Amino acid sequence: GNSVTQMEGPVTLSEEAFLTINCTYTATGYPSLFWYVQYPGEGLQLLLKATKADDKGSNKGFEATYRKETTSFHLEKGSVQVSDSAVYFCALNNQAGRRALTFGSGTRLQVQP
Amino acid sequence: GAVVSQHPSRVICKSGTSVKIECRSLDFQATTMFWYRQFPKQSLMLMATSNEGSKATYEQGVEKDKFLINHASLTLSTLTVTSAHPEDSSFYICSARGTGGGEKLFFGSGTQLSVL
Repeated sequence: GNSVTQMEGPVTLSEEAFLTINCTYTATGYPSLFWYVQYPGEGLQLLLKATKADDKGSNKGFEATYRKETTSFHLEKGSVQVSDSAVYFCALNNQAGRRALTFGSGTRLQVQP
Repeated sequence: GAVVSQHPSRVICKSGTSVKIECRSLDFQATTMFWYRQFPKQSLMLMATSNEGSKATYEQGVEKDKFLINHASLTLSTLTVTSAHPEDSSFYICSARGTGGGEKLFFGSGTQLSVL
């Protein structure tokens, strides 16, 4: 079956530090990969996605590259801000949108001024 | 933009009582609603999928008589936890797909249920 494993948080960084949140997956076929972000009191929002190997998704300074050889989709940002403090979820979908997403456990990021 | 409003955000109830969680789609019609549950430090786990006007499809191991899902309209889906017990204490979140289909999903903000 499908599964997503992401690093356990919380991750605490100072403002302007470099961020990496690791995500690896297990799936049959060729899944689409996603990062969602949940700010306090809000629903999950799509941050970025990649639909095939070597694709790079990017948004708001965040990036993640679909690595089929390592089954990974690590999230990175060169310089985090306090406003990036949130919970980040890695997810996959390998049935062309017909099924629900398979999520990781989420990683809480805390950015300190 | 499209928003899913989920209520309540937090509920505390006594063991044996029933709790209803609502998810409303604002500015769009939700043909499919997914209900997830998350225990501490674990993944969001899919509980069931419901399509408007039809019975929900439950994932293996999820009791359909305990977790009643109603999706009677294109803008409202409810999850009722019947005869709640402490082991039902969890974070519940809904996710809606609109009439356009595809991969775009809209999430509620979640409900933290605590059963005493």
